[in-house]
Amino acid sequence: AQTVTQSQPEMSVQEAETVTLSCTYDTSESDYYLFWYKQPPSRQMILVIRQEAYKQQNATENRFSVNFQKAAKSFSLKISDSQLGDAAMYFCAYRSRGAGANSKLTFGKGITLSVRP
Amino acid sequence: KAGVTQTPRYLIKTRGQQVTLSCSPISGHRSVSWYQQTPGQGLQFLFEYFSETQRNKGNFPGRFSGRQFSNSRSEMNVSTLELGDSALYLCASSLVSGGSTDTQYFGPGTRLTVL
Repeated sequence: AQTVTQSQPEMSVQEAETVTLSCTYDTSESDYYLFWYKQPPSRQMILVIRQEAYKQQNATENRFSVNFQKAAKSFSLKISDSQLGDAAMYFCAYRSRGAGANSKLTFGKGITLSVRP
Repeated sequence: KAGVTQTPRYLIKTRGQQVTLSCSPISGHRSVSWYQQTPGQGLQFLFEYFSETQRNKGNFPGRFSGRQFSNSRSEMNVSTLELGDSALYLCASSLVSGGSTDTQYFGPGTRLTVL
């Protein structure tokens, strides 16, 4: 079974600064996806970024980028130029890929990010 | 295109009752997954339905069940409610099950409180 670990329950960042959220995972599979989801106070889960394990290049989406270290099973999210609207809970998630894969996501416990004005 | 909708948004029940939650996926999406979110256990996968068939099931007791209709709408049912069933229940839809380019889109959730 796969597990996802987010060891930092809370983090804080000054507006316009950069923050990195950590995530590690454990799997015996070689082919999978990793995701970061954002859950603001409204509770609506929003996909921030995704990474395919077979791709060496780190994914980027505007101010969001990841540092994917497959051998170390590490998947961190960097948020640049933090904005007040980035304040939310962030979840790291894993999904299998390949033959027989389904849509099940395995989530970490989440990290609460606050942004100081 | 309308997003994933869940009804009702809030629900209060008492122990021993049963409850049915509904999820309407994005138009054209055929896969629906359900998750339970609690402060203690976090987000846990309940089950996934694709083309009216249960594709995968999480580690939950048999009191939790679901189904999917031909229009891809899905319902989940919890019988004999317990206090520990109080949670936010999230539904997510995607085009297919496990697709290589699939993205799961989440609904706003149903907040269930068991008294």
